[in-house]
Amino acid sequence: AQSVTQLDSQVPVFEEAPVELRCNYSSSVSVYLFWYVQYPNQGLQLLLKYLSGSTLVKGINGFEAEFNKSQTSFHLRKPSVHISDTAEYFCAVSVMDSNYQLIWGAGTKLIIKP
Amino acid sequence: DTGVSQDPRHKITKRGQNVTFRCDPISEHNRLYWYRQTLGQGPEFLTYFQNEAQLEKSRLLSDRFSAERPKGSFSTLEIQRTEQGDSAMYLCASSSQTGAAGYTFGSGTRLTVV
Repeated sequence: AQSVTQLDSQVPVFEEAPVELRCNYSSSVSVYLFWYVQYPNQGLQLLLKYLSGSTLVKGINGFEAEFNKSQTSFHLRKPSVHISDTAEYFCAVSVMDSNYQLIWGAGTKLIIKP
Repeated sequence: DTGVSQDPRHKITKRGQNVTFRCDPISEHNRLYWYRQTLGQGPEFLTYFQNEAQLEKSRLLSDRFSAERPKGSFSTLEIQRTEQGDSAMYLCASSSQTGAAGYTFGSGTRLTVV
């Protein structure tokens, strides 16, 4: 069965510092990979996705993620965070075996310190 | 197309009452999903439709929950005899059949059962 692990439930970081949010997955078949962001009291918004091709994908708001097949990881990065990036970030995968349904990580709360 | 719309945004109801939520997906999307999310948790899958057919329902979903998508367009989620444990954010999302573009989420309906 497929699973998604987000290793950190909370990540505190100072404003303008770089950040990495970690995501690992397990699957025996090819996957699509996604990062979503959820601001307080809102729905989820797609940040970026990996389907195929270049392993480095760029998304909205200056975020990027790198797909590493050997390590089954899809870590999210931003070189310089802002207060407005305070939110919860969810990693998700979809696989053909699950009829393309999304399997979610538990989420990582990004806390920006001024 | 204005994205995925959910109505109402907030609902406060007394325990034992029935509630119904509506979701209008992106018109080109033939898949529609319902999720539930409680504070500090990731989205919990409830059910999904492909066109008008309900293809999967979570085993965690009690008989008090029912969803419909009668014409393959909008969907409704009804909760009968609400309980305090039903208090949560109810999220609707839509996608193409493969989900390759990711899911598009609505802003959610926050249910409070008092």
